[in-house]
Parts: sequence; structure tokens; C-alpha cells
Amino acid sequence: DARVTQTPRDKVTEMGQEVTMRCQPILGHNTVFWYRQTMMQGLELLAYFRNRAPLDDSGMPKDRFSAEMPDATLATLKIQPSEPRDSAVYFCASGFFPLGRVGENEQFFGPGTRLTVL
Amino acid sequence: KQEVTQIPAALSVPEGENLVLNCSFTDSAIYNLQWFRQDPGKGLTSLLLIQSSQREQTSGRLNASLDKSSGRSTLYIAASQPGDSATYLCAVRPGGFQKLVFGTGTRLLVSP
Repeated sequence: DARVTQTPRDKVTEMGQEVTMRCQPILGHNTVFWYRQTMMQGLELLAYFRNRAPLDDSGMPKDRFSAEMPDATLATLKIQPSEPRDSAVYFCASGFFPLGRVGENEQFFGPGTRLTVL
Repeated sequence: KQEVTQIPAALSVPEGENLVLNCSFTDSAIYNLQWFRQDPGKGLTSLLLIQSSQREQTSGRLNASLDKSSGRSTLYIAASQPGDSATYLCAVRPGGFQKLVFGTGTRLLVSP
């Protein structure tokens, strides 16, 4: 049963600390997304990668957030330094979007990382 | 900018009722629309995906329709059960993008 996995599931940290969240996309998927969910803003896209290359990170505060895909099986989202307003649930999603058929495929979501910054 | 709205924000019904959740979007240029279910403290489970060329999709007791020209989608749940209690989110893929734009969600409670 293929699924997206995320670690850690919960993270509590203090303001100013570095936080790294990890995601393992479904094997064979070529596109990975990072979303953030808060009560106030709902679900919003932070960044996404296709074939490990960043395509859109316009939703991400670039001064403190960074997203990478070191290899096809791992995506990371890092916050440095973290702030209380970063407290949210961070979701990773993956999908297969072949060239020329971008409209067809769905995204599969991981269980999320619940981040609390004190 | 694409905006997605869901009505109602919350819904409480007795078990066995048929119900309809609504989703509207401001820009009809979409590739597809996806309905998700989210249980408290959990991730999102994809329920139905409707391509822009389709009018509806069905899965078990769920039926989703899409009227792209009017910017609307509905999720119909037949014979609701307490296990259907969750938050339901709709999301659209704007044309030219691979990301999803999410609605605000409808929190459903089905009481026994």
C-alpha cells in the first residue's frame, strides 16, 4: 500500500531553533508539494518540485524557509530560525504528472507534521 | 487569483440523511477538482477527482458533480453514517499549474 510518509509527526520547539521536516513521496511520483494548514489561513501551498527541481516556492517566506529534494525519495522543509507564527500542520503531497498531461493526476497527502513553536 | 469557497462551513445531520456539500470557485479555467476528507488530527484522504471535461464522478455513496462554467461543484453523500463525520475540503487545480487551491472546508457531524 503506497503512501506518502512524513517525519516527525509532531515537533515542539522553541523560538529561534532550526526545524527540519522530512517527506518520502510515493515511489515513482515525480512531483512533490509542501502545504501548510492553519486555522486562520486554511491549507496553502508553500512550494513544489518536479523531478527534484523547484518549480514554485512563491508561497514560502524565503528569509527563513527552504525546501530541497536531495534525491527522488526525500524532500525536506527547513525553517531557520523558527517563530511562533510558524506553528501549523505541514503536509507533504506527491503525484505523477507526465509531460503534456499535467491536468490528469491527483495528489496524495502524507499524515502531516504538527509543528508547535513556543 | 483563484479563490475557493465552501458552504456551509459546518453541518450537523442525523444518521441516514442524504446531504449536499457545496464548493464554488472564481476562475473557471481549471484542470480538475478534487474532494478530500480530513479527520481530526489526520492527513487528507482523496475521495474523488473530477477532470475539467467531466460532469461527475461516483464512488460508493459519494457523488461529485462539476459545472465548470458556473464555477461550482457539489459533493452528494447518500445515507450518511456517523463514520462520515469529518471535514470535507474541495480543491481546484488552476489551469497551467500543478498546485491545488483549497477551499475553507465543511465540517460535517453525523449523529447516530
